[in-house]
Formats: sequence, structure tokens, C-alpha cells
Amino acid sequence: DGGITQSPKYLFRKEGQNVTLSCEQNLNHDAMYWYRQDPGQGLRLIYYSQIVNDFQKGDIAEGYSVSREKKESFPLTVTSAQKNPTAFYLCASSIVGGTSTDTQYFGPGTRLTVL
Amino acid sequence: AQSVTQLGSHVSVSEGALVLLRCNYSSSVPPYLFWYVQYPNQGLQLLLKYTSAATLVKGINGFEAEFKKSETSFHLTKPSAHMSDAAEYFCAVSDRRAGGTSYGKLTFGQGTILTVHP
Repeated sequence: DGGITQSPKYLFRKEGQNVTLSCEQNLNHDAMYWYRQDPGQGLRLIYYSQIVNDFQKGDIAEGYSVSREKKESFPLTVTSAQKNPTAFYLCASSIVGGTSTDTQYFGPGTRLTVL
Repeated sequence: AQSVTQLGSHVSVSEGALVLLRCNYSSSVPPYLFWYVQYPNQGLQLLLKYTSAATLVKGINGFEAEFKKSETSFHLTKPSAHMSDAAEYFCAVSDRRAGGTSYGKLTFGQGTILTVHP
């Protein structure tokens, strides 16, 4: 079955540590996205990538980094510079261009807790 | 820039009652609009989408939404609520250029938590 996988489901981090969240898709989508979700604040875009080896900052990129070395993978690193990293992180993907309707498909999410 | 407002962060209905979740958007170009549903500790699932075809859009689980350009609205409805409809619902608008091409991003509303009472 095609879809988006995120791992791990739950992640615990000590303050001052960097941590990397995994996102993989087998939908052959060009674009991938990372969102942060906090209660009552909806989804906020962290980074997105529309093509391999290229990515753009979203609305809240500070303290995060990404890479896009393969079409199917878009890992997110939460660095120690992120002041309040405890949140639910969602990865998504979509088709770009042509007949795209901008529909994004989401993974199951990773809940990060800083201890 | 596009924006989305969901009126009511919490909506409570009785089982069997009408569900109405409100969404208003702001867009300088004809928009694409979406409703997603999220169950606790899960990702978002697409309920339905409007992409400039029929203004009344039918989705999964008996939900539907009507695009009203004059009111800049895209409200989500279901005639009869079921306990399994309890979840958080998000409205989103596609970020598009004046010529209709896409920036490839969505702007989400703040979400509405739907509670269904027996």
C-alpha cells in the first residue's frame, strides 16, 4: 500500500540534544512538508521541499533543519536552538504541477517530548 | 496572502443531530479548499475538497461542504452526527498565484473540536 510513514511514534529528548524525525513516502510525490501542531494553534509549516536537493523555510523554521537527498525521504532535525520543541510533528506530501490540486496527504505523526 | 478562519474552536452536538462546522477564507484568486479530520494522536485524513468544479462537494463518512463565493465560505455539514464523528476538523485553503498556479502550500485554520453526546 502507498502511504507516508513517520518514525518513531513517540520520542523523548533531553534538553540540549538534537533529534531527527523520519518521514518516508512511497506515493512518488514531488513535494514534502513538515508541520508542527500545538493545541489550539492548528498546523504551522516548518519546512517544505518541492524537489530533491531543494527546500524552503516555512513560517516557523528557526531551530529546525531538513535535508532532501532522496525523493521519498524528508527528515527533520530538531536542534537544541529550538526553545520549545515539545509538540506533535506531522509530515505530508503532494503532487506538484500539472493537474495537481494541492491535496496533501499526511503521515501518522511523531509526538516529541522534551524532558 | 490566503487565510482561513474557523468559527468556534469547540462544537458540541447530540448523536443524530445536524453537524455544522464553519469555515471562511480569504483569497485573492479562485481558491482550492479542503476539509481534513484528525482523530487523537493521528495524522490528518482528507474528508473532501473543492477544486472549482461543483460547488457542493460530497466527502467521506457522509460529510459534505458547499462553496459559496459571495460569502467566502466553505462550511462542513453532516445531517446526522454519529459518535464516531468526534474528532478535530481543519479547513485549509491552497496558496495560489494570481494566474492560478500553485505555491504548493496550504494554509490551515485553527481547527474545530467536535464532541458528540449520546
